[in-house]
Amino acid sequence: AQKVTQAQTEISVVEKEDVTLDCVYETRDTTYYLFWYKQPPSGELVFLIRRNSFDEQNEISGRYSWNFQKSTSSFNFTITASQVVDSAVYFCALSEAEAGNTPLVFGKGTRLSVIA
Amino acid sequence: EAGVAQSPRYKIIEKRQSVAFWCNPISGHATLYWYQQILGQGPKLLIQFQNNGVVDDSQLPKDRFSAERLKGVDSTLKIQPAKLEDSAVYLCASSLYPEDSYNEQFFGPGTRLTVL
Repeated sequence: AQKVTQAQTEISVVEKEDVTLDCVYETRDTTYYLFWYKQPPSGELVFLIRRNSFDEQNEISGRYSWNFQKSTSSFNFTITASQVVDSAVYFCALSEAEAGNTPLVFGKGTRLSVIA
Repeated sequence: EAGVAQSPRYKIIEKRQSVAFWCNPISGHATLYWYQQILGQGPKLLIQFQNNGVVDDSQLPKDRFSAERLKGVDSTLKIQPAKLEDSAVYLCASSLYPEDSYNEQFFGPGTRLTVL
């Protein structure tokens, strides 16, 4: 069975600090996708990144970076120089990588509060 | 491009009453998902449609929940009768099929249900 664990329930940081959100996953599939979504107070889920299990290259997008390590089944998300607008709940998710579409299995989320 | 539309945004009912939610996916998206997000948890799949056919409803409480997508476009999710534990945000998502193999799902704003 697939499972995603986000051990950090809530994190508070002061603006401009760096923060890392942890994600550990379990799957028996050899091919899968990993995702991060942001859920601001408005409630809508905003897609941030998708990573194929065959691509372990880390990725950087502006202040966001992701570290994927298959050896530890982790897909961690770092925000550099955090801003108040980064305050939200962040979800890590996993899906099988069949062609077509398969549902996402989400972690419980990490609530990030960035204090000015 | 218009996003996934959902209505109503908020609904308050008493237990044992019935309620229905509506979702209009992004134009051309053949796959539609309904997720339930209980407060403090990640979204959990209730049902997945491919056009107007059900792909996965294994986690749908069929004694009280029903969903349909008659013309392969809009979808309705119904709860009858509602229980206190049904209080949650109901998220609709859609994705392309079969050309898009990346399983990127676009989420609507959700319907927040409170059962009193």
